[in-house]
Amino acid sequence: GQNIDQPTEMTATEGAIVQINCTYQTSGFNGLFWYQQHAGEAPTFLSYNVLDGLEEKGRFSSFLSRSKGYSYLLLKELQMKDSASYLCAVMDSNYQLIWGAGTKLIIKP
Amino acid sequence: DADVTQTPRNRITKTGKRIMLECSQTKGHDRMYWYRQDPGLGLRLIYYSFDVKDINKGEISDGYSVSRQAQAKFSLSLESAIPNQTALYFCATSGGLNNQPQHFGDGTRLSIL
Repeated sequence: GQNIDQPTEMTATEGAIVQINCTYQTSGFNGLFWYQQHAGEAPTFLSYNVLDGLEEKGRFSSFLSRSKGYSYLLLKELQMKDSASYLCAVMDSNYQLIWGAGTKLIIKP
Repeated sequence: DADVTQTPRNRITKTGKRIMLECSQTKGHDRMYWYRQDPGLGLRLIYYSFDVKDINKGEISDGYSVSRQAQAKFSLSLESAIPNQTALYFCATSGGLNNQPQHFGDGTRLSIL
């Protein structure tokens, strides 16, 4: 079967750095997406990786290792507004997105 | 105005009722999707459509049907609602390339009593 694993919940301090991991086992791979979802709101797109390596976009970076079936989202200079769930999704061989259950990130002052 | 609009935003109804959730978009995207989200689970795909004459079942299509009335409109129906269909439902759209992100509506919170 297809599986996406992320930690259920993480806690970090305002101003710090946090890394949210995602491991996947899917039938084929056509890219990995990260989304942010605030409570009660729609998911919003953060990043896309299809090749190995690090993609940096402001305070957020995303890393991919296809051989290890692994990605992480790195958030720097954490702000209170970063408190949200972070969803990892992999596009499989049928070009369907397989979603992880999300990691709830709690930021403390 | 939102690019992807879902109506209604909230709905409470009884077991056995027929329900329609509507989605319209102004992004000009060909691809549209319906998902449900339950606590502790990832988004699960119900149906998707890549153009007006294309309808495809997703992971959990049983108990649901869809209609793609136009490029901009994609509706989801529950013919006879049951309590385990209580969930948060999202419509999403994307462009024609596979690396294009999906854009989500604000969701419909559906409760079946």
